[in-house]
Amino acid sequence: DVKVTQSSRYLVKRTGEKVFLECVQDMDHENMFWYRQDPGLGLRLIYFSYDVKMKEKGDIPEGYSVSREKKERFSLILESASTNQTSMYLCASRETGQGFKEQYFGPGTRLTVT
Amino acid sequence: QKEVEQNSGPLSVPEGAIASLNCTYSDRGSQSFFWYRQYSGKSPELIMFIYSNGDKEDGRFTAQLNKASQYVSLLIRDSQPSDSATYLCAVTSGGSYIPTFGRGTSLIVHP
Repeated sequence: DVKVTQSSRYLVKRTGEKVFLECVQDMDHENMFWYRQDPGLGLRLIYFSYDVKMKEKGDIPEGYSVSREKKERFSLILESASTNQTSMYLCASRETGQGFKEQYFGPGTRLTVT
Repeated sequence: QKEVEQNSGPLSVPEGAIASLNCTYSDRGSQSFFWYRQYSGKSPELIMFIYSNGDKEDGRFTAQLNKASQYVSLLIRDSQPSDSATYLCAVTSGGSYIPTFGRGTSLIVHP
């Protein structure tokens, strides 16, 4: 069964802290994604990775960085958390190639920055 | 800028009715179209995928695609309270596997 897991369901951090959000997939997918989801704004792509050590900026990369040292793991890093980064963070993975390839989502991490 | 537009709703329908959800997109090169369902506090799950003009049916769900008019819709027949959720439309364009998501339509099915 397909599985994408995220390290925490809920996380509370203080302003200025460095925050790590971890995502692991067990499907041997090449492509992994980090989104944030806010009410009224939908899903917005932060970063994606199409291979180990490869990364591309999405629509809203400011204030975030990522790391992909192993194929199954994709980490999102908030270098210095701010209150406007309070959000639901969703990780996803997808097999490579054109055509129909389902994107599988993890359960999400609700991050609150105080 | 590729855009995917959805009415945020909420769309309220009585149990047993047909719910019709619509999505328009700006990029004429769009090739693949997805509908995700997202329950409150949960992550999105794929319920329909379509890439050819016309209708695609899967149980109570029908996706309709009209590339000339640049819209895709989702019909839910015999709506149930358990269908109450936010429905996200996503579109990928030729040469890219990165989907662009709409902001979602909230559906409420009342008994």
